[in-house]
Order: sequence, then structure tokens, then C-alpha cells
Amino acid sequence: QEQLVQSGAEVKKPGASVRVSCKASGYTFTGFYIHWVRQAPGQGLEWMGWINPYSGGTNYAQKFQGRVTMTRDTSISTAYMELSRLTSDDTAVYFCARSTIAALRGDYWGQGSLVIVSS
Amino acid sequence: DIQMTQSPSSLSASVGDRVTITCRASQSISSYLNWYQQKPGKAPKFLIYTASTLQSGVPSRFSGSGSGTDFTLTISSLQPEDFATYYCQQSYNIPQTFGQGTKVEIK
Repeated sequence: QEQLVQSGAEVKKPGASVRVSCKASGYTFTGFYIHWVRQAPGQGLEWMGWINPYSGGTNYAQKFQGRVTMTRDTSISTAYMELSRLTSDDTAVYFCARSTIAALRGDYWGQGSLVIVSS
Repeated sequence: DIQMTQSPSSLSASVGDRVTITCRASQSISSYLNWYQQKPGKAPKFLIYTASTLQSGVPSRFSGSGSGTDFTLTISSLQPEDFATYYCQQSYNIPQTFGQGTKVEIK
């Protein structure tokens, strides 16, 4: 069955970068978009952007432009989200979600990866 | 950015109650509106897309309606497993934005 499994929790210092992975299984990885959504502690959901695993094309929320990079490795059905120049405001759970189209319809989600930014 | 505003922010209800959650967009989004359910410590679960289409496997007690700027999610008879936070999300344009959430608690 379809599944997205994300990498584990990370603790980073301000100014550092973090890379979160999202490994897909049970479906054709290149047939679906991967979106990234984050959730700060006790807060709502925030969309960050998507990657098309087939083409490698990306679309980022303007808020994260210049700081976020989404990539993929089709040989291992894995998508990555790298966020640089971290601040405490980036402390959040980061989710990947699968969607059949560029517009987010997240039918399958990863379990989430907690990123803590602290000095 | 399109702002999505949900009301109420929280509600208390009993098992068997009919529950309605409202989501309003700051501009018309046609029917590009999705609903999710999230339980503590878990990823969101996809419930409804294009305002009223039930995702496969979602119980029929969930329904959605609306278009333009005003949308509703209705749970016809609240079940114990439905106590959670519900989010609306617009996919009309970038950035795709979520409402702030509505927490459904046990009365």
C-alpha cells in the first residue's frame, strides 16, 4: 500500500541548514507530486511548496524562496526538502504529502519530521 | 495571499450531534477547497476535495458544500473517533493556504 516515510527528528543551531527526506513506496513515485507542509508547535498548517518527481520541477511559496530547495532521487523514490538559514521560527514538524496534481490534495502523508532550532 | 478563516475556532459537542464548521476565503476560490482532519501527533487525513467530493474510504457522515468564498464541513452524527482538529485548505492559487483550524472537543 502507498506509504511515505520521513527521516527522523533533527536539532539544529540557528543559521544552519536541515534536510528532511521522504521515501515513497507502494506506488509509482514519478506519477505524483510531493508537497511539503509544516506545522509549528501548537499552530496550524503552512504550505511550503511542491516538487514534481517526474520532471524535477518545483514551485515554492514566496515566503521560503531563496531558503528552501526541494529535490528528488528517483532511483530510490525519495524526495528531499532542505531549508537553510534556520531560525527559531523554523522549529516545526515538517510533513511531506502526495498529490495527484500540482494543487495540493494530500491523499497520503508522511508521519512528520520534527526540526528543532535552538542554540 | 488568500486568507482562509474558519469558524468557530473550537466547539464542544456530544456523540450523535450534527456538527457544522464554516470556512471563508478572502476572495473567490471557485470550488478549490479541501478539508482535512488531524489528531494530536498525527499527520492530517484527507477528507474532502473540490468542496464536496468525499475522498475514498471517508465515512459518509462527512459532507462538504459551498463555492466562491463560503464553505461548510458537516458531520451528520458525531462519532467518538471524530474528535479532532479540522482544517480547510484552498488550492486555487499559490501559496496554497490553510484555515487556522477548528478543534472539535467532547462535551
